[in-house]
Amino acid sequence: DTEVTQTPKHLVMGMTNKKSLKCEQHMGHRAMYWYKQKAKKPPELMFVYSYEKLSINESVPSRFSPECPNSSLLNLHLHALQPEDSALYLCASSQDPLSAYEQYFGPGTRLTVT
Amino acid sequence: AQSVTQLDSHVSVSEGTPVLLRCNYSSSYSPSLFWYVQHPNKGLQLLLKYTSAATLVKGINGFEAEFKKSETSFHLTKPSAHMSDAAEYFCVVSSNTGNQFYFGTGTSLTVIP
Repeated sequence: DTEVTQTPKHLVMGMTNKKSLKCEQHMGHRAMYWYKQKAKKPPELMFVYSYEKLSINESVPSRFSPECPNSSLLNLHLHALQPEDSALYLCASSQDPLSAYEQYFGPGTRLTVT
Repeated sequence: AQSVTQLDSHVSVSEGTPVLLRCNYSSSYSPSLFWYVQHPNKGLQLLLKYTSAATLVKGINGFEAEFKKSETSFHLTKPSAHMSDAAEYFCVVSSNTGNQFYFGTGTSLTVIP
């Protein structure tokens, strides 16, 4: 199974809501990533988890809060977002955080903040 | 520091003709390099990767790329374009620590029937 799954596929939320994005992989990968992608742009790295520990936070606003409950799951908790946070949020995983193995991407969650 | 430059933001080819998507990289070490494809409203799919083995790398769907260290290039080619190849393509270089990846700005490929 070489699949990364993400739920939900689409999410519309108001600026005062709290919601969560979920990502799951069962490939035994020990690195997991959150990216934000705006239209016609490359993905921008937000967070990296290595062996379930947050290893990279690319100066992401605190209204985004990542969580890695176990080696297969990655969550992104959202609170008090702004309209400019509307984007495609991609999750990815790779085999080993210490080696440049390829990343496997999920299909993404299309987030709209109203 | 690592960086990737995709030389063309948009490439248009006729169906059945060759495809060339250009990528140059800058790195202070021997990097791993990747090409990904993204169809509209989809995630990214790995086409191929270079990890210091053979310099000519074959990928899925008939794509291949050649690593040229002297030219710091990793161009993606396909002999004959298919309509289904129309998508966004990203060239990616790894960090020296292996846990970060640097994306080019992307090349949008249009295939004309």
